[in-house]
Amino acid sequence: QSVLTQPPSVSGTPGQRVTISCSGSSSNIGSNIVNWYQQLPGMAPKLLIYRNHQRPSGVPDRFSDSKSGTSASLAISGLQSEDEADYYCAALDDSLNTYVFGTGTKVTVL
Amino acid sequence: EVQLVQSGAEVRKPGESLKISCKGSGYSFTTYWIGWVRQMPGKGLEWMGIIYPGDSDTRYSPSFQGQVTISADKSISTAYLQWSSLKASDSAMYYCARLDEALYSYGSLFDYWGQGTLVTVSS
Repeated sequence: QSVLTQPPSVSGTPGQRVTISCSGSSSNIGSNIVNWYQQLPGMAPKLLIYRNHQRPSGVPDRFSDSKSGTSASLAISGLQSEDEADYYCAALDDSLNTYVFGTGTKVTVL
Repeated sequence: EVQLVQSGAEVRKPGESLKISCKGSGYSFTTYWIGWVRQMPGKGLEWMGIIYPGDSDTRYSPSFQGQVTISADKSISTAYLQWSSLKASDSAMYYCARLDEALYSYGSLFDYWGQGTLVTVSS
């Protein structure tokens, strides 16, 4: 059902920079804001980055996002072991009139 | 502090009914939409539908229309997700989440999430 496509997994060593892509279409990413969620193992999703690069209180500035056309990306710089989690992009889809999530990306710290 | 507290894990047999709950606190429950999100084992997040507790206006994702019923009781600040006849494929974790802006508005997002309710359907 996911209309936003992410790579299943990315990995990196501590301190490295990794990026997660999120590919959509003109009716979702192309015309709406992309938000990002982090889901730690066994936990509920948590808002990570929202509404044009904003981070909720407590989220380190190692996390950043960008968007171009119908694609978005999340970058984690200075990768740390506590960043091991699943990450989801999300957006409103104007054509479907639904909120859509990405397929999810598992980040592994080697 | 905004909190969404969901009911506990449930085990049911195929064909049985079920209603799970999500109680909001720390904010005006009647003025924010509450959505439900499914996460099947080892899978991603799927938006199921949403309700405005103030007037019970409800919308469903096409994928879930007719499969579940979303309701709310504003007198006790609680939203519900229910099934009339469960299937094994309904086994999943279900999350409720608060929408921070008007429905379908530019930039609207789910800012607070419940802890999840695990539903297991097995004979």
